[in-house]
Amino acid sequence: DAEITQSPRHKITETGRQVTLACHQTWNHNNMFWYRQDLGHGLRLIHYSYGVQDTNKGEVSDGYSVSRSNTEDLPLTLESAASSQTSVYFCASSKGQLMNTEAFFGQGTRLTVV
Amino acid sequence: SQELEQSPQSLIVQEGKNLTINCTSSKTLYGLYWYKQKYGEGLIFLMMLQKGGEEKSHEKITAKLDEKKQQSSLHITASQPSHAGIYLCGADPSGTYKYIFGTGTRLKVLA
Repeated sequence: DAEITQSPRHKITETGRQVTLACHQTWNHNNMFWYRQDLGHGLRLIHYSYGVQDTNKGEVSDGYSVSRSNTEDLPLTLESAASSQTSVYFCASSKGQLMNTEAFFGQGTRLTVV
Repeated sequence: SQELEQSPQSLIVQEGKNLTINCTSSKTLYGLYWYKQKYGEGLIFLMMLQKGGEEKSHEKITAKLDEKKQQSSLHITASQPSHAGIYLCGADPSGTYKYIFGTGTRLKVLA
């Protein structure tokens, strides 16, 4: 079955370190997204991509970067981790060829920056 | 910018009771998605509504989009402990797949 997987599921890192969260989907979806989920803020869009070599900033992109070298993967990099980036991160993908297509989500990565 | 407001923020019901969760948009919706999130897990897609007045059902969950396409409701009939979790509504306000989401409704079902 096609799926979207995130790794690691849990990560503890120190302030100032570079961290990369992996996201891999096997649906061959064009669109991929990274969100963070925080109490009181809900899901907020960090970065998104409409296809290979395409990346765009979302609502809360400062301190994060992504790259899209193939259809399946959209890794999220925290350049220099800060305590404010402690959160649960979700990757999602959608087909993107029709209006109103739903997004499918990964299981999430819980990141703690100490 | 468009925002989605959900009510109530949390809900505790006795098993077997019916319940309704609402999602209100500040602008006309061109597609409304309902997701369920179990604690500590990812979002699971439930249903998508596109047309004013549309209603869809899946097992004991029914979702409706009002005629003006600014409000949606999710109704659960005869709730079960398996229905517990966080329900989120989502939308794609600009048609560019940049989905936005409500802050969610936490549902607890007491056995």
